[in-house]
Amino acid sequence: NAGVMQNPRHLVRRRGQEARLRCSPVKGHSHVYWYRQLPEEGLKFMVYLQKENIIDESGMPKERFSAEFPKEGPSILRIQQVVRGDSAAYFCASSPLDREAGELFFGEGSRLTVL
Amino acid sequence: EDKVVQSPLSLVVHEGDTVTLNCSYEVTNFRSLLWYKQEKKAPTFLFMLTSSGIEKKSGRLSSILDKKELSSILNITATQTGDSAIYLCAVYSGGGADGLTFGKGTHLIIQP
Repeated sequence: NAGVMQNPRHLVRRRGQEARLRCSPVKGHSHVYWYRQLPEEGLKFMVYLQKENIIDESGMPKERFSAEFPKEGPSILRIQQVVRGDSAAYFCASSPLDREAGELFFGEGSRLTVL
Repeated sequence: EDKVVQSPLSLVVHEGDTVTLNCSYEVTNFRSLLWYKQEKKAPTFLFMLTSSGIEKKSGRLSSILDKKELSSILNITATQTGDSAIYLCAVYSGGGADGLTFGKGTHLIIQP
């Protein structure tokens, strides 16, 4: 399967713990995007990364959230000291360099539940 | 601020019915409109529309863009229970970080 791979699919954390979500893009794709989806809401952009660079993190909360896309390995979305409001589905998407028309390839999402 | 509005937000029909889902948008620099189907997993790409009036078709699904009305419709004929999903509309403006503005989706339920 050459699609976007996310893990874990489901993650349960207690308030105050850390959550780490991983995303491996489609092979050959150099751009990664993270989205958050709350129940009955659309996908909300969080952060856009290229290898070793954060291009835009305007959709990501300034505190407790961070993202990286290292030269080797998957992209990681890290949420420190989770709170109940962080419970959501987090989707990763990737695109090739020449994304003229806008199509993104999505992973199956990581569903975070904060108890 | 770019905006995408989908209607209805939810819809329940019986198997065999035909449904029409709507998407309207206000964006500063329109480049394309995309439809995705989201079941309990990854949103999967359905259609990309860039030109007004040209229908895209895939089996029982079809979609058309009206740039004058700033809208698109997604039609599903002879619906099946497997069509039950959230249908997401997104507009790509190419600007900003990801350039995509998503609507909240239409939650379609097909009853047997």
